Amino acid sequence: GAVVSQHPSWVICKSGTSVKIECRSLDFQATTMFWYRQFPKQSLMLMATSNEGSKATYEQGVEKDKFLINHASLTLSTLTVTSAHPEDSSFYICSATKVRETQYFGPGTRLLVL
Amino acid sequence: AQKITQTQPGMFVQEKEAVTLDCTYDTSDPSYGLFWYKQPSSGEMIFLIYQGSYDQQNATEGRYSLNFQKARKSANLVISASQLGDSAMYFCAMRDQYNQGGKLIFGQGTELSVKP
Repeated sequence: GAVVSQHPSWVICKSGTSVKIECRSLDFQATTMFWYRQFPKQSLMLMATSNEGSKATYEQGVEKDKFLINHASLTLSTLTVTSAHPEDSSFYICSATKVRETQYFGPGTRLLVL
Repeated sequence: AQKITQTQPGMFVQEKEAVTLDCTYDTSDPSYGLFWYKQPSSGEMIFLIYQGSYDQQNATEGRYSLNFQKARKSANLVISASQLGDSAMYFCAMRDQYNQGGKLIFGQGTELSVKP
């Protein structure tokens, strides 16, 4: 299978600061990357779909100005949580895929906002 | 609207026995894909198996097989010869093949515990 990395794996930050999470497809070029959020004991909730070179498509209820997504290349997408607050603490996980193929997931990033 | 349902919040199985994890889905699209992912406590999502709506045969991958019953809209995962390392959350997911950018819709998940 394809390999997707995420960095950092853990991040603790103070309320009001911004946090950037990187998602990279290591051995393939991803036409599309997805960003999910997962609370403990719950399923994955899709936040946005990101295509290289175009604006991300956000799911209903996800604040675009708070969760900034940039897909600069076919191997890199970033999620920036701006002005993070404790309620943003969660597990963020990305996936990458080629057109209509299997989504491969990164290992996830645990964010704790104090 | 598309929907995935996993009705078993938790399952127990004895080591070396087989276990079936249930998944039902609802869609009006004729073309779709069904996936199973495993999520251990570390959090990573591991792709297990895929079934296309037009595939004639049930998908198999090693100890994993997908019992696809299209008329009943079910896509159950069967794990044979369970191992302790199979203890994890298991998610069923569906993808509309041609629309919505290929995004996945996930079920609620089933937590599998393998007993020694």
